[in-house]
Amino acid sequence: EADIYQTPRYLVIGTGKKITLECSQTMGHDKMYWYQQDPGMELHLIHYSYGVNSTEKGDLSSESTVSRIRTEHFPLTLESARPSHTSQYLCASRPLGPAGVWGEQFFGPGTRLTVL
Amino acid sequence: GENVEQHPSTLSVQEGDSAVIKCTYSDSASNYFPWYKQELGKGPQLIIDIRSNVGEKKDQRIAVTLNKTAKHFSLHITETQPEDSAVYFCAASKGGGSYIPTFGRGTSLIVHP
Repeated sequence: EADIYQTPRYLVIGTGKKITLECSQTMGHDKMYWYQQDPGMELHLIHYSYGVNSTEKGDLSSESTVSRIRTEHFPLTLESARPSHTSQYLCASRPLGPAGVWGEQFFGPGTRLTVL
Repeated sequence: GENVEQHPSTLSVQEGDSAVIKCTYSDSASNYFPWYKQELGKGPQLIIDIRSNVGEKKDQRIAVTLNKTAKHFSLHITETQPEDSAVYFCAASKGGGSYIPTFGRGTSLIVHP
């Protein structure tokens, strides 16, 4: 079982609210990722980080922002939630280094966000 | 960039049958090909992976084959069981420091008892 955690698991919120989805891992992994998973189950990369103070945008344009102040923590923030943000959000991590060059991603259990 | 096509999108089999999921990739520099299984309410979890210097890899009822020339790789599950029912993703990536895997669109496997 991977040591990567996401909170909350489910969130229902009204339009215009600011929300932060939490992601933490205890494995000391340098690389972390956020994916948005649509109802058809396709995974879309929205943000990633190579390490502390590193953040990059992914392939899918997103109005969310991320920060990486500590290795173990990679929160995702929506300043003003809209119904179009309703989705499943998955966080993942991967170790950097010789093993990590070939290594797997470890995924958290996901946050199911519904914006009314 | 890399493009990964995965087929079929849905696969329905009877318990005990074999299941095969196929993926093709476009970037000949890709050299790492993991397969993930996502059960309902959970995140994807690695079930098997293969590197470009290997043509086939097995782990009990699961096997993956890779054809570098044709740029395709496949997941084979034998003697399927109801607990194999899940969404399966293939992915392709280069083994460099900027590891951003490209995922297939997923296959929903349903195993009927």
